[in-house]
Amino acid sequence: QKEVEQNSGPLSVPEGAIASLNCTYSDRGSQSFFWYRQYSGKSPELIMSIYSNGDKEDGRFTAQLNKASQYVSLLIRDSQPSDSATYLCAVNPISSGSARQLTFGSGTQLTVLP
Amino acid sequence: NAGVMQNPRHLVRRRGQEARLRCSPMKGHSHVYWYRQLPEEGLKFMVYLQKENIIDESGMPKERFSAEFPKEGPSILRIQQVVRGDSAAYFCASSPTRVEQYFGPGTRLTVT
Repeated sequence: QKEVEQNSGPLSVPEGAIASLNCTYSDRGSQSFFWYRQYSGKSPELIMSIYSNGDKEDGRFTAQLNKASQYVSLLIRDSQPSDSATYLCAVNPISSGSARQLTFGSGTQLTVLP
Repeated sequence: NAGVMQNPRHLVRRRGQEARLRCSPMKGHSHVYWYRQLPEEGLKFMVYLQKENIIDESGMPKERFSAEFPKEGPSILRIQQVVRGDSAAYFCASSPTRVEQYFGPGTRLTVT
């Protein structure tokens, strides 16, 4: 079982719609969760971090965390063509000990159609 | 406020040569992480360093790879005797608090 799993996609949504990206993780003790956006040929860009159960909103982005279900999601409202990218879910697994290495999912490719 | 800096951005090496990748963290960040992204694969952790200390190198291949973060100057990821399988994007990330990590632009290594 992969430590962090994401649907690889591709996920296509029309402009203006809500894009929903999902991620599950295997380490129940994980404490920190992140969403990164990566455009083709570029580096990952941190867009959201979440540490406690519930929702966290930042502009058009909402991260949702459910530790009991080991599930974290990212909602993008009013999707724009510029949101087209690969979205990476990253988890700080408790098994990493004192180091804060991140374990990444394989990413979900999102395409927003004009 | 400059972000994480990496150089070179692109590096071409022949099999058997050495590759040196440099990373300067964001100002005020003392935690540095190196990740590798192979073509069509996800990001994989390699090593975590603080100034003059390797904290966790559990993701580093046992041979040919080494990393350092000296008291002065950038962090260096060194790959000796490169092979074609080392061709990848190598990303450095830095953090002020060991939690949120900010990535540099990466070095694309091509081994011919």
